[in-house]
Amino acid sequence: EDKVVQSPLSLVVHEGDTVTLNCSYEVTNFRSLLWYKQEKKAPTFLFMLTSSGIEKKSGRLSSILDKKELFSILNITATQTGDSAVYLCAVLNTSGTYKYIFGTGTRLKVLA
Amino acid sequence: DAGVTQSPTHLIKTRGQQVTLRCSPKSGHDTVSWYQQALGQGPQFIFQYYEEEERQRGNFPDRFSGHQFPNYSSELNVNALLLGDSALYLCASSSSRWWRERDTEAFFGQGTRLTVV
Repeated sequence: EDKVVQSPLSLVVHEGDTVTLNCSYEVTNFRSLLWYKQEKKAPTFLFMLTSSGIEKKSGRLSSILDKKELFSILNITATQTGDSAVYLCAVLNTSGTYKYIFGTGTRLKVLA
Repeated sequence: DAGVTQSPTHLIKTRGQQVTLRCSPKSGHDTVSWYQQALGQGPQFIFQYYEEEERQRGNFPDRFSGHQFPNYSSELNVNALLLGDSALYLCASSSSRWWRERDTEAFFGQGTRLTVV
């Protein structure tokens, strides 16, 4: 059965800390791995990763994919209270049609 | 350029009732996928519509059904509601270019929060 596992489930840090969120997967017909940030309702897109070893960066956020070991990490440096959210990892699976398989998410709370 | 719009935003229904949720995809997108997100969980794939047909269904009972209209908008219907159907229902809009291009992602609506009492 296809699955995406995220760790930790929740995390509390102070402003300025650096955090690393983990995502491992076992998915047939892997196409790409995506990270989303979910604050209230709609997940908002952060990164799409298709190739191993190539880091993607956006400001204080960065992510990398290891297709051999089947995992990805999302790093957030110099965290701010506005980073508080649920971070979702999703794998784009192409069995039958293109659909996402999501992990349960990591709930990050950044304290001032 | 309007993003993905869903209606209603909140809904309270009684067990046994039926509900219809609506989604209008982002301009230029022709594929709509529906996901159910229970509290504390990640979204789970319900089904996907393209060219007015259901392309694939996740592990959801037949009480969940859908429709796509010629303008690409979509409805999700749930019959005989159970307490366990309480969740955030997300609509994801994408382009069938996914079948041809790598670097595209789905865009999510704000969701409909369904509470079954």
